[in-house]
Amino acid sequence: GDSVTQMEGPVTLSEEAFLTINCTYTATGYPSLFWYVQYPGEGLQLLLKATKADDKGSNKGFEATYRKETTSFHLEKGSVQVSDSAVYFCALSDNNNDMRFGAGTRLTVKP
Amino acid sequence: NAGVTQTPKFQVLKTGQSMTLQCAQDMNHEYMSWYRQDPGMGLRLIHYSVGAGITDQGEVPNGYNVSRSTTEDFPLRLLSAAPSQTSVYFCASSYAAGGGNTIYFGEGSWLTVV
Repeated sequence: GDSVTQMEGPVTLSEEAFLTINCTYTATGYPSLFWYVQYPGEGLQLLLKATKADDKGSNKGFEATYRKETTSFHLEKGSVQVSDSAVYFCALSDNNNDMRFGAGTRLTVKP
Repeated sequence: NAGVTQTPKFQVLKTGQSMTLQCAQDMNHEYMSWYRQDPGMGLRLIHYSVGAGITDQGEVPNGYNVSRSTTEDFPLRLLSAAPSQTSVYFCASSYAAGGGNTIYFGEGSWLTVV
């Protein structure tokens, strides 16, 4: 079945460093891809999404491009801030009644 | 705008006890679902509903029941709690299932079964 694999954490960066969190997927169809973020003690919030190949999702300085040829949706940010410390989840959704999540990557940004 | 509201936020149960986690949304979403979040495993779908009166099983349904009598409410029942059900539970909703629809999550319910 469909699945998502994302890089294991935790990831610790200094403020203003470049961030990449890798995400690859396996799907039989043409899924939509998402990045969700979970701040401490809160539920998940949508960060960005892409619904078809070569689409780029972006929000709050984060970007991810839907790469069908490499089945990837890597999350990037050019300059992280302390406030970006959270757990990031890659997810996919096809036309079935299900969304598959990766295991999550914890990011800690130090001043 | 309240969004997705779940209660209680924290609960401790003894093995064998039953309880209901409440979930309500005020966005008139047809699709609602329950996930559990365990360390290193991401979120796994327990049950979902595509509209009032319709429910179906997700990836890990055993030990849980749901019902959807109204569009707004989607309670999750633990019939006889087990320590393996210690987890964080998230209720979620979206306009429709699948595709590019954004899922909106509640703030979570931390459940400990002793």
